[in-house]
Amino acid sequence: EAGVTQSPTHLIKTRGQQATLRCSPISGHTSVYWYQQALGLGLQFLLWYDEGEERNRGNFPPRFSGRQFPNYSSELNVNALELEDSALYLCASSLAVGLGAFFGQGTRLTVV
Amino acid sequence: AQSVTQLDSQVPVFEEAPVELRCNYSSSVSVYLFWYVQYPNQGLQLLLKYLSGSTLVKGINGFEAEFNKSQTSFHLRKPSVHISDTAEYFCAVSDPDQGGSEKLVFGKGTKLTVNP
Repeated sequence: EAGVTQSPTHLIKTRGQQATLRCSPISGHTSVYWYQQALGLGLQFLLWYDEGEERNRGNFPPRFSGRQFPNYSSELNVNALELEDSALYLCASSLAVGLGAFFGQGTRLTVV
Repeated sequence: AQSVTQLDSQVPVFEEAPVELRCNYSSSVSVYLFWYVQYPNQGLQLLLKYLSGSTLVKGINGFEAEFNKSQTSFHLRKPSVHISDTAEYFCAVSDPDQGGSEKLVFGKGTKLTVNP
């Protein structure tokens, strides 16, 4: 069974540009979570999507947004990129509460 | 809001020695607890989880953890480590009353370095 897949693996953008990150959950998982792992800040919750709806978001500005498609895959969009947006962005999926979230390999976003 | 404290940012040990990575969480009525491992340039892999029942939980790669409600701790242990256990370990908590969410709050991580 395929795990959570993320693309691209690496992404280099210029300050002010937009970045789009993609995630495919494990088959059958309807919930997708996005986390940011920035140097010195640890893992921070960004967004939670379930059944196509945004259910919760972390303490991030509105330029971080996303969506979930009918096949439960998800996109994370980051507009007006800033240097401090450079981080590893991790996507996770889960089937139900308590079963644990399963993570992809991440997308390394570098803003120059 | 939940919070997780991992008391040691770095833990160096020699191969075949025992290791304990400490984790404390903020008090709540009930929580789910997890340990994840992250190898260099990779995502997170679930090591083990505590939901309810027996306070000693066993995970993959020979790791185990003990839930202690009175001390709000969930320390990770391995009796004999290998070089391949070198990685960063994250303790995480989720609130089962989060309306169906598996939203996790993570500790800052502990870098385990196993030396020959």
